[in-house]
Amino acid sequence: EDKVVQSPLSLVVHEGDTVTLNCSYEVTNFRSLLWYKQEKKAPTFLFMLTSSGIEKKSGRLSSILDKKELSSILNITATQTGDSAIYLCAVDQAGTALIFGKGTTLSVSS
Amino acid sequence: NAGVTQTPKFQVLKTGQSMTLQCAQDMNHNSMYWYRQDPGMGLRLIYYSASEGTTDKGEVPNGYNVSRLNKREFSLRLESAAPSQTSVYFCASSSNPGGNTEAFFGQGTRLTVV
Repeated sequence: EDKVVQSPLSLVVHEGDTVTLNCSYEVTNFRSLLWYKQEKKAPTFLFMLTSSGIEKKSGRLSSILDKKELSSILNITATQTGDSAIYLCAVDQAGTALIFGKGTTLSVSS
Repeated sequence: NAGVTQTPKFQVLKTGQSMTLQCAQDMNHNSMYWYRQDPGMGLRLIYYSASEGTTDKGEVPNGYNVSRLNKREFSLRLESAAPSQTSVYFCASSSNPGGNTEAFFGQGTRLTVV
């Protein structure tokens, strides 16, 4: 059965901390791995990863894919309260749809 | 640019009632999806439509039907609502199924079945 597993499921940190969120997958016909951030409403796109070992960065966020280990990490440095959200990992299967993990709920306290 | 538009935003139904959730996208995307989100469960795929005229079941299709009315619109119908269908429903679209493109989401419909 295809699955995407995220860890930890929840995390509480202080402002300024660095966090690493994990995503592992077992799917057929892997095309890409995507990260989304969800605050109050709809998920918003962060990164799409297709190649192993190539880091994608956007400000304090970065992500990398390891196809050998079937996993990805999302790093957030110098966390801010505005980073509090659910972070969703999804795998894009060729010919079907995105399969999502259960998400990691990040809470950043000031 | 509206992107993906869902209606209604909120709905309360009594057990056994029926309703249709509407979704439309203006990005000329081929693929559209319906997900439900429950606390601690992430997003679970109900149905998807890889292209106009086709629909396929996802992980949790029971109790739902869909219609891909045209390229823009993809509706989700609950024929006889049950309390277990209380959830937040998201419609999404992408240019191709598994086409290495991101999916764009609507703002969600919060459905409560009493």
